[in-house]
Amino acid sequence: SAVISQKPSRDICQRGTSLTIQCQVDSQVTMMFWYRQQPGQSLTLIATANQGSEATYESGFVIDKFPISRPNLTFSTLTVSNMSPEDSSIYLCSVGRRLGEKLFFGSGTQLSVL
Amino acid sequence: AQKITQTQPGMFVQEKEAVTLDCTYDTSDQSYGLFWYKQPSSGEMIFLIYQGSYDEQNATEGRYSLNFQKARKSANLVISASQLGDSAMYFCAMRDLIQGAQKLVFGQGTRLTINP
Repeated sequence: SAVISQKPSRDICQRGTSLTIQCQVDSQVTMMFWYRQQPGQSLTLIATANQGSEATYESGFVIDKFPISRPNLTFSTLTVSNMSPEDSSIYLCSVGRRLGEKLFFGSGTQLSVL
Repeated sequence: AQKITQTQPGMFVQEKEAVTLDCTYDTSDQSYGLFWYKQPSSGEMIFLIYQGSYDEQNATEGRYSLNFQKARKSANLVISASQLGDSAMYFCAMRDLIQGAQKLVFGQGTRLTINP
């Protein structure tokens, strides 16, 4: 299994500010994804982080609100921009080495927006 | 579109008993994968078990086994000899292959509580 480090583990932020979440993997992975889990809900995919190119966003999520970087095969960031209380959620990165293999998750970032 | 259904919002089980968490899925794909994850109160997602659609035998990982019934499109998780530490949310998920990228579609989850 991959060792995934996600930072910060939690944060409390003010409305209108931005937060960048980091996901670092101990080995190269083909696939990296960002998920959101709103309180009491299941996980929803935000986007697929593509190495060296723009991320692929799911319906309902846009780059201006959730810019994503992936400069190499072991690292990605997700920024939650211009935050509102509705952005309060757990954000998780997920990785997979190869197609058809298991997907593993980071420990998550618990975000609260006041 | 693929869909995962978990019909048990919550379950209460006595310690040391076996427990079955239900999961049904809907897909038109012939090749797919099914996953179970555990989410304790800390929020992390812990991989438990995986079943490929072409796997002939049910997957097992320690106390976890997956009761895979392909014709009925069900992939129930069985936990044997439950422990207090098994109390958590459990999510069933399906691998969705879109343009070569493997992403997961999740069910709504089941909250399992183990009573001493």
